[in-house]
Amino acid sequence: DTAVSQTPKYLVTQMGNDKSIKCEQNLGHDTMYWYKQDSKKFLKIMFSYNNKELIINETVPNRFSPKSPDKAHLNLHINSLELGDSAVYFCASSQGRAGNEQFFGPGTRLTVL
Amino acid sequence: DAKTTQPTSMDCAEGRAANLPCNHSTISGNEYVYWYRQIHSQGPQYIIHGLKNNETNEMASLIITEDRKSSTLILPHATLRDTAVYYCIVSVTYNTDKLIFGTGTRLQVFP
Repeated sequence: DTAVSQTPKYLVTQMGNDKSIKCEQNLGHDTMYWYKQDSKKFLKIMFSYNNKELIINETVPNRFSPKSPDKAHLNLHINSLELGDSAVYFCASSQGRAGNEQFFGPGTRLTVL
Repeated sequence: DAKTTQPTSMDCAEGRAANLPCNHSTISGNEYVYWYRQIHSQGPQYIIHGLKNNETNEMASLIITEDRKSSTLILPHATLRDTAVYYCIVSVTYNTDKLIFGTGTRLQVFP
């Protein structure tokens, strides 16, 4: 009965590859987010979607493309992976705005070799 | 950019109260104070938030000074499981579209 789940938990890949990370929430929330936490532990918002519509796109390279097939899912596709993309990616959800309690997933640790 | 200042790290003995300070001297009248924590390798977890009144829930208490320029998160009886990084966040408004996480305070609870 995990509230926010992500797959995979670990992802190791070569530079230049394309990969996807999936996120699902079963809380009935209408807003979902992707955050990136780098090696220095800075946690930064990347995207947010409300009712499948893009609300925030925080100067993220266009190699990153979020896709929200429905309110319960927000997937992150990354093209042409670079070394600097190595990080932990967290998905989160909230009901309504970001000021409401956000529930975070367990994270996906991406390592680009 | 984060608008809060927190100590880098703190220690607390198990069973004692942990008082985590946060400075937000440039806070505006309609900005809320949020606290989240991140236990090692896990996703952040919401703790509490407030505007100007003190708040308490099952996890913690939030004390906001009268001038709202600083606040303190209180874990009344810290346990080893409270060891985590604690983030103090000031939102643009309650209806903000995003929260900006700073560097946080690493709280170490020791036996």
